[in-house]
Amino acid sequence: QVQLQQPGAELVKPGAPVKLSCKASGYTFTSYWMNWVKQRPGRGLEWIGRIDPSDSETHYNQKFKDKATLTVDKSSSTAYIQLSSLTSEDSAVYYCARGGGNYDYWGQGTTLTVSS
Amino acid sequence: ENVLTQSPAIMSASLGEKVTMSCRASSSVNYMYWYQQKSDASPKLWIYYTSNLAPGVPARFSGSGSGNSYSLTISSMEGEDAATYYCQQFTSSPSTFGAGTKLELK
Repeated sequence: QVQLQQPGAELVKPGAPVKLSCKASGYTFTSYWMNWVKQRPGRGLEWIGRIDPSDSETHYNQKFKDKATLTVDKSSSTAYIQLSSLTSEDSAVYYCARGGGNYDYWGQGTTLTVSS
Repeated sequence: ENVLTQSPAIMSASLGEKVTMSCRASSSVNYMYWYQQKSDASPKLWIYYTSNLAPGVPARFSGSGSGNSYSLTISSMEGEDAATYYCQQFTSSPSTFGAGTKLELK
């Protein structure tokens, strides 16, 4: 069965970077785009960007272009999102979600807390 | 970007009641997608290509619409349907989501 495994939580200090992971299993990792979605309480869902694991082609929401960097490790079927220069505005749940069109499988999300 | 406006923001329905929620796009889209999210859980694909139910979604759900106006309908409310529903478009980049309609059981 398809699974996207994400760590439950990360606590990071303001100004520092963080790299969140999403380990895929149950399907051919390189056959589907991987997306990242941000959710803050009361703010709905925001698409950050997507990456094609077969060749690392990326597409970003312009809003996150200077904040997020998407990468993959094909050998471990893991997708990553690196977020730079963290502020309180980056505190949110970050989901990975599979798909080039609709997102048919989602990870459980990583709750990122930016706090000193 | 294409702004999706969902209405109402919050609604409540009794068991067996028919429910309809709306999603309006600021620019025309080819299809609309819907996700269901319950508290402390990740969103689940619910409806794709405007009117196709995702696997496991009960037949009491339906989706319709075209152009700028789309809707999700539940023919007869059940307790398990209480959740927040989000619409999403992929026609133009960036892909955008609506702010959600929270459906509560009355």
